[in-house]
Amino acid sequence: AQTVTQSQPEMSVQEAETVTLSCTYDTSESDYYLFWYKQPPSRQMILVIRQEAYKQQNATENRFSVNFQKAAKSFSLKISDSQLGDAAMYFCAYGGNTPLVFGKGTRLSVIA
Amino acid sequence: DAGVTQSPTHLIKTRGQQVTLRCSPKSGHDTVSWYQQALGQGPQFIFQYYEEEERQRGNFPDRFSGHQFPNYSSELNVNALLLGDSALYLCASSLGQGSNQPQHFGDGTRLSIL
Repeated sequence: AQTVTQSQPEMSVQEAETVTLSCTYDTSESDYYLFWYKQPPSRQMILVIRQEAYKQQNATENRFSVNFQKAAKSFSLKISDSQLGDAAMYFCAYGGNTPLVFGKGTRLSVIA
Repeated sequence: DAGVTQSPTHLIKTRGQQVTLRCSPKSGHDTVSWYQQALGQGPQFIFQYYEEEERQRGNFPDRFSGHQFPNYSSELNVNALLLGDSALYLCASSLGQGSNQPQHFGDGTRLSIL
């Protein structure tokens, strides 16, 4: 079964600085997708970024980018120029032939 | 363009009761998935509905059942409620079955069991 591990329960970053959230996963599939979701206190899960495993190029969405290392099964999220609105729980998730599997999350605090 | 809507937002029940949660998918989406999110945890997959049939199911007992209607909306039913069923229940919609496509989530229903 696929597993997703987020080893950082909590992280903090100064406003305007850069922070990297870690995620590792385990799978025997060769074709799959990886996601980062953000969950603010309002509860709604919001898709931040999506990576297709067969694409070597790392996905980027404005201030958000990933470092996808397929051989190492690592999928980290980098947030540049952090803003107060980035404060939230961040979940890494794996999608493939099986249902979506989430990690336990990393709580990100942004310090003004 | 309406996103995923869930009702009710908050529900309080007692042990042994039954509950029904509702979800309307984002416009244009045909697949609905349900998740249970315990406090401080990531969401756990309950099941997914596509073309009015349950297509995939997570590790949840038969007390958890669902339905999808012709307009793609969905219900999650939980019978014989236990204290451990207290959680945030999230509905997500997507285009096509499986978990490769981005899923759009609703705000969730907070279920409290007394």
